[in-house]
Amino acid sequence: KAGVTQTPRYLIKTRGQQVTLSCSPISGHRSVSWYQQTPGQGLQFLFEYFSETQRNKGNFPGRFSGRQFSNSRSEMNVSTLELGDSALYLCASSPPGADVSLYEQYFGPGTRLTVT
Amino acid sequence: GQQLNQSPQSMFIQEGEDVSMNCTSSSIFNTWLWYKQDPGEGPVLLIALYKAGELTSNGRLTAQFGITRKDSFLNISASIPSDVGIYFCAGLSWGKLQFGAGTQVVVTP
Repeated sequence: KAGVTQTPRYLIKTRGQQVTLSCSPISGHRSVSWYQQTPGQGLQFLFEYFSETQRNKGNFPGRFSGRQFSNSRSEMNVSTLELGDSALYLCASSPPGADVSLYEQYFGPGTRLTVT
Repeated sequence: GQQLNQSPQSMFIQEGEDVSMNCTSSSIFNTWLWYKQDPGEGPVLLIALYKAGELTSNGRLTAQFGITRKDSFLNISASIPSDVGIYFCAGLSWGKLQFGAGTQVVVTP
């Protein structure tokens, strides 16, 4: 099975712009979570989508949003970029039933976003 | 910020030595996961723990779910150069994974 894929792998944007990142989960996985990873704050949970609905949300401003499509692929959008948004954005997927027991989460390689 | 306390922050060890790291929290978790992350890549799941007291091995890796459900331990035996990387613990609570700050492992020949 192919793993979690994320596109693009690297991105450079200017402050004030917006950006959309894409994630394709492992085949059969319906839950997709997004994380921001920075040296200072570590791995921070952004949100989780399941069956096209946001199921959990972290403590990030409204500039960070996401959505999930019927094929479980997910996108994350950041509007009005700030310098502090520079980070590795990671997507992870979980197999069906994982929220009930035997929870597992598999990460993609991430998108490195640099805001200048 | 981080809600899990992971220690040590970094370790410099010689090839062949054993490595131990742990995560502690004031909160109870239902699941503990341990990951390894190489530079420029996403974390890779190493071991998953689901019951208090559970001891699980994956090759040279052994992890334990603490009896109090507030801590977990990861041991790497007979380290080799490819063990270098950052190891993260993650605890599952209320449907959300919380991560430790990571333990950077450096293995010298």
